[in-house]
Amino acid sequence: QVQLVESGGGVVQPGRSLRLSCAASGFTFSNYGIHWVRQAPGKGLEWVAFIRYDGSNKYYADSVKGRFTISRDNAKNSLYLQMNSLRAEDTAVYYCATSVAADFDYWGQGTLVTVSS
Amino acid sequence: QAVLTQPSSLSASPGASASLTCTLRSGINVGTYRIYWYQQKPGSPPQYLLRYKSDSDKYQGSGVPSRFSGSKDASANAGILLISGLQSDDEADYYCMIWHNTAVVFGGGTKLTVL
Repeated sequence: QVQLVESGGGVVQPGRSLRLSCAASGFTFSNYGIHWVRQAPGKGLEWVAFIRYDGSNKYYADSVKGRFTISRDNAKNSLYLQMNSLRAEDTAVYYCATSVAADFDYWGQGTLVTVSS
Repeated sequence: QAVLTQPSSLSASPGASASLTCTLRSGINVGTYRIYWYQQKPGSPPQYLLRYKSDSDKYQGSGVPSRFSGSKDASANAGILLISGLQSDDEADYYCMIWHNTAVVFGGGTKLTVL
């Protein structure tokens, strides 16, 4: 079955960097685009970034453009999110989500990023 | 003005129907968009419910009961998630979503209480 497992979250100081990973299994990872979505504590969903199946196109939310970079390694069935210049407002649970039969039909359990001094 | 606006909360009784709206910002025509709906319960990631653009362009998630259905109200420029025969297990947050240009936009979510 489709499985997405995020890792790399933790507590980080403002201005520092963090790299999230998402390990995929149970489907042909290289055939599908995949997203990062975040959810601040007690708040709604916020889309962060998307990368096409072959990495040829990447799209970002305005709130992270220029600071975050999405990438993937199809040989390792893995998705990444490099987060630089982190701010307190980046504190959230970060989910990876893919679209196999429909948009965002599979989600990971999320990894918590806390930006605090 | 937000691209997608959802009422923050809605209450309904067990067995009744609930109509959750997702209003698109003026200038964005609901008729041209696929509206996606997700359910999220506390401590869990969102789950895909369905997609609706028209009766000929819709997709129900695997295992999602037919009690959940989508529609549109063109006069209100809104997508609608209709849940019939409400059950206590339907109590959750519900989010709508669209692809807008090259970005994904989520609505702010509606907290549905079944009481």
